[in-house]
Amino acid sequence: DAGVIQSPRHEVTEMGQEVTLRCKPISGHDYLFWYRQTMMRGLELLIYFNNNVPIDDSGMPEDRFSAKMPNASFSTLKIQPSEPRDSAVYFCASSSRDRVPEAFFGQGTRLTVV
Amino acid sequence: ELKVEQNPLFLSMQEGKNYTIYCNYSTTSDRLYWYRQDPGKSLESLFVLLSNGAVKQEGRLMASLDTKARLSTLHITAAVHDLSATYFCAVSLDFGNEKLTFGTGTRLTIIP
Repeated sequence: DAGVIQSPRHEVTEMGQEVTLRCKPISGHDYLFWYRQTMMRGLELLIYFNNNVPIDDSGMPEDRFSAKMPNASFSTLKIQPSEPRDSAVYFCASSSRDRVPEAFFGQGTRLTVV
Repeated sequence: ELKVEQNPLFLSMQEGKNYTIYCNYSTTSDRLYWYRQDPGKSLESLFVLLSNGAVKQEGRLMASLDTKARLSTLHITAAVHDLSATYFCAVSLDFGNEKLTFGTGTRLTIIP
C-alpha cells in the first residue's frame, strides 16, 4: 500500500484566497483524521471521520474551515478565506478499527498564507 | 479534557549515553503511542502500547507504559546520531478510534 497520500505537498497562497487540501487514506481504513501542526500549538486534531461521516469537528478553528469526505478514498480540507495565521503543516491520517490500532500519517501539506 | 505532557522539551546528549523521555497524561487510558518526526517530514510510528505494563523494544529504543501512574517512558540506550529527531507521545481514549491527543514533543539532538 502506498500509505496515506496528501496533495499538494506545499501551497503558498495570498490572504483571502481559497485553499483546498486533499487526502487519500489507506485502502480499507475506516477512520480519517485531519491534524494541524504549528510551533505554537503543536499537533492538534481538527476533525475526524468514521466511514465517511464527520464525527467530531470540535477542533476546527473557525467557520472558514470545512472538511468533506465524499467517499472512502478521498477527503478534502478547505479554508476560505485563508489568513496568515492558517500557515501550518496539515497532516491527514487514517486508521482501522479492525486492524492494528494505529494511525498512519501522510507526508503533510505545508501551507503558507502571505 | 485530556492533557498530555512530555519532558524534557529539548534534550541534547552525547553519543553512547543513555537517557529517558517521559510522557504523563491526565485521563485513564491504556492506549499510548510513540512517534518520531524528522525535520520537515511526517510522523513515523515507533511503538503502540496497549496495556498496563506493556514494554516494547526496537533497536536502541524501549518504550513502557504504566497506566496506573498514567506514565509512559521512552528509553534511549547508547544513543547514536541517527536517533536525532523529535519524539512525540500520543494518547487515545476511544477503543478502535485512533483519535490522538499529542504531547508537546521532545527534540532530541545527539552530539558526536
